[in-house]
Amino acid sequence: QKEVEQDPGPLSVPEGAIVSLNCTYSNSAFQYFMWYRQYSRKGPELLMYTYSSGNKEDGRFTAQVDKSSKYISLFIRDSQPSDSATYLCAMSEGSGGYNKLIFGAGTRLAVHP
Amino acid sequence: GAGVSQSPRYKVAKRGQDVALRCDPISGHVSLFWYQQALGQGPEFLTYFQNEAQLDKSGLPSDRFFAERPEGSVSTLKIQRTQQEDSAVYLCASSAPTTTDTQYFGPGTRLTVL
Repeated sequence: QKEVEQDPGPLSVPEGAIVSLNCTYSNSAFQYFMWYRQYSRKGPELLMYTYSSGNKEDGRFTAQVDKSSKYISLFIRDSQPSDSATYLCAMSEGSGGYNKLIFGAGTRLAVHP
Repeated sequence: GAGVSQSPRYKVAKRGQDVALRCDPISGHVSLFWYQQALGQGPEFLTYFQNEAQLDKSGLPSDRFFAERPEGSVSTLKIQRTQQEDSAVYLCASSAPTTTDTQYFGPGTRLTVL
């Protein structure tokens, strides 16, 4: 079993829909939780960064972390065709003073007009 | 440019050849990471440098993989005697040294081993 599990999708939604993406994990030492967006043939781009449990909002994006359930979510409101990409969750213990990121497999999202 | 750059963007190698992949991090970033991303998968950690020191190489899959960063800036990932299972995208990321700092990823090098 992988340390981080993520449904690969694909997920197809109409423009304007609310999208919910999530990951589960098994390592209780993870403290740093991130969501990256990756367009085809590009490197991952950081969307959201959360330390420990709680919610964080940035524009149309909301990240939630529930450490008791080992479950993290990313919500996208008013989805746009430009949101079509692969979304990767990533986590780190932060030990040793650096973030060795453990990624999920990524969820492919398609937002159609 | 302001971002992480990698070269070449695409590399085709015959099985058994050696390859060298280059990463130019963001200027001033002391931390540098290499990841391997297989098709349809998330990136997997390979190795970490702080300046010129390789502090973590726990993710390197075999002794055919070797990374260096001799002057604490540009890094090279070398793969000797390439195998088909080495086919993947190799991503480089750089950041400032603290755990709260964002890792900025380059576009990756797509390696295909025939």
